[in-house]
This record gives sequence, structure tokens and C-alpha cells, in this order.
Amino acid sequence: SAVISQKPSRDICQRGTSLTIQCQVDSQVTMMFWYRQQPGQSLTLIATANQGSEATYESGFVIDKFPISRPNLTFSTLTVSNMSPEDSSIYLCSARPGGGTDTQYFGPGTRLTVL
Amino acid sequence: AQKVTQAQTEISVVEKEDVTLDCVYETRDTTYYLFWYKQPPSGELVFLIRRNSFDEQNEISGRYSWNFQKSTSSFNFTITASQVVDSAVYFCALSEENYGGATNKLIFGTGTLLAVQP
Repeated sequence: SAVISQKPSRDICQRGTSLTIQCQVDSQVTMMFWYRQQPGQSLTLIATANQGSEATYESGFVIDKFPISRPNLTFSTLTVSNMSPEDSSIYLCSARPGGGTDTQYFGPGTRLTVL
Repeated sequence: AQKVTQAQTEISVVEKEDVTLDCVYETRDTTYYLFWYKQPPSGELVFLIRRNSFDEQNEISGRYSWNFQKSTSSFNFTITASQVVDSAVYFCALSEENYGGATNKLIFGTGTLLAVQP
């Protein structure tokens, strides 16, 4: 398994600003992912964070809006840029440890409110 | 295309009742994985179980049990003798095989909100 922490746990931001969310895993993992959960909705994959290369984005998500970094095998960041109230969501980081397991473990999430 | 359907939006039961959460999936892959996650009010997603498409054995873990039936494309989750602490949103998810055989993308259902009343 993997233990994942995220910072900040929640934030309230003003329209037009940007927020960077950090995700730390307690062990090296092969794959890390970022999800968005809009209020009362299910989870939607934003992108796969690739170590050493550009993230792979899902349809409807673009790098300019959600730049992602993954400098090593235990850490990733997601930035929500030029925020609007529609970006108010829970953002969750997940990791797949690898080694033949296909289970994704999730962090506690970051609750973002944009005013 | 892969899809996960959780038709029950909300379920309310009284403590000690048994409750079954339904999950129906669609996939054209022959190899796939199914998952259940629990999301309590705190927001964290807690992994409960993973099942691969070749293993149709039912599984029991304490008060939790899972019934996987490929014939009906269902992976239902039963909580026996429910407790207030079971109150949460429960998500069923399907992973598709991609990227040279490494499963990674999770496709979630819309979730079922379970409220257990004391």
C-alpha cells in the first residue's frame, strides 16, 4: 500500500489567483494521478503525472490551466491556475505503487473554494 | 466504452440492518479490475477491495462482503449489521487496461450515499 499526504487540506481563494497543491507519498511509486471531484459528483481524472516527462492530460483538461510537476518518484504538484468559482472542488492525488499491484491509493484531498 | 453505473443515489437504513450497494459495469476488455472505495465525510477515499476479472469468488471481510458476477456484469457490496460509522459515499470503480498492459485509469461510478441511522 501507500500512504499519501496532501497540502493544503483546504483553501479559500480569490478569483483569478492560482493555487499549488502538493502530494507526497511515503514510498516510491510508479504512477501518480490527479483527480477532481466537483461538489456532489464523482471523481474525474485530470491527468497522469509522469516522472521526468510532461503529464498526460485527459480530455477537457489542459496544461495551461492545470500544470503538473513530478520531480521524483514520491512527489507531485498540481497547480490550479487563474481560478474561477467553477474550480471549487476537492482535488485528490492518488498513487499506484507498482510491483504488479493495480490498486490506486488516494490522499485525503484538498478542498478548494474559489470566491 | 467503459462505464460504471451505481443506480442507487442514496440509501438510508437503521443501524444493524443489512444493506447491499449495487454496481453494474460495462467493458469490452477481457482483463479488468473492479474496486470499491469508501469516502467518509472527511473526504478521504479509502480503498476497500480489488477484484480481477478472472476471479469470481465472493469475498468476505468482517461485516463486508462482495458478490462478483460476470454473467450480469455486477459487483455488489453488502454490509451486514450496519453501523453509524458506515455512513459514507461508496464508489465502485473499473480500471481499463492501457499503456502496454499496465492498468491505471480508474473509471468511477457516481457513488451511493449510505446513511445509517442510530
